Amino acid sequence: GQNIDQPTEMTATEGAIVQINCTYQTSGFNGLFWYQQHAGEAPTFLSYNVLDGLEEKGRFSSFLSRSKGYSYLLLKELQMKDSASYLCAVNDYKLSFGAGTTVTVRA
Amino acid sequence: DGGITQSPKYLFRKEGQNVTLSCEQNLNHDAMYWYRQDPGQGLRLIYYSQIVNDFQKGDIAEGYSVSREKKESFPLTVTSAQKNPTAFYLCASSIVRGSSNQPQHFGDGTRLSIL
Repeated sequence: GQNIDQPTEMTATEGAIVQINCTYQTSGFNGLFWYQQHAGEAPTFLSYNVLDGLEEKGRFSSFLSRSKGYSYLLLKELQMKDSASYLCAVNDYKLSFGAGTTVTVRA
Repeated sequence: DGGITQSPKYLFRKEGQNVTLSCEQNLNHDAMYWYRQDPGQGLRLIYYSQIVNDFQKGDIAEGYSVSREKKESFPLTVTSAQKNPTAFYLCASSIVRGSSNQPQHFGDGTRLSIL
């Protein structure tokens, strides 16, 4: 089966950095996605990792270690609009999602 | 603009009633998916389809049915057999199911509640 774990909630201050960890145990692996979801809205794609290492995209970066079954999403220079749920999803023969991490950015 | 359209945004179901959620995409994507999202839980896959006239059960297909008569459309029926249908339902599409680096694009969701 699939097991994908993320922290439930995180709180940070505007302008700060937050790191959201994701650990996974899946029967197969063909890449890992991060999505952002604002309350009541559709998830939107943030990043994709298939090889080990860091992928940087503006204020957001994502890291993957396949041997450790571990990924993180790094959000820098936090803004109020970054308050949302962040979903880790592992691509096996289908996407399996973690429960999501709710990030609250405080002024 | 291309995208995925789900309707209605809010839907109410009476006990013993079947309801159908619409999902239409104009992205020319081959694969389409239905997910259910409950508070505090991740998205769970209900059904998916790689090609017209073919679809597969996901992790929680019981009490649901789908059809894929057209590439653009993948409606989901929540049947009376689904005893706990209250949830947020999300439709998604992608270029090819299982394509390693192609993200899924999501519709805005339908929130289903029981009267």
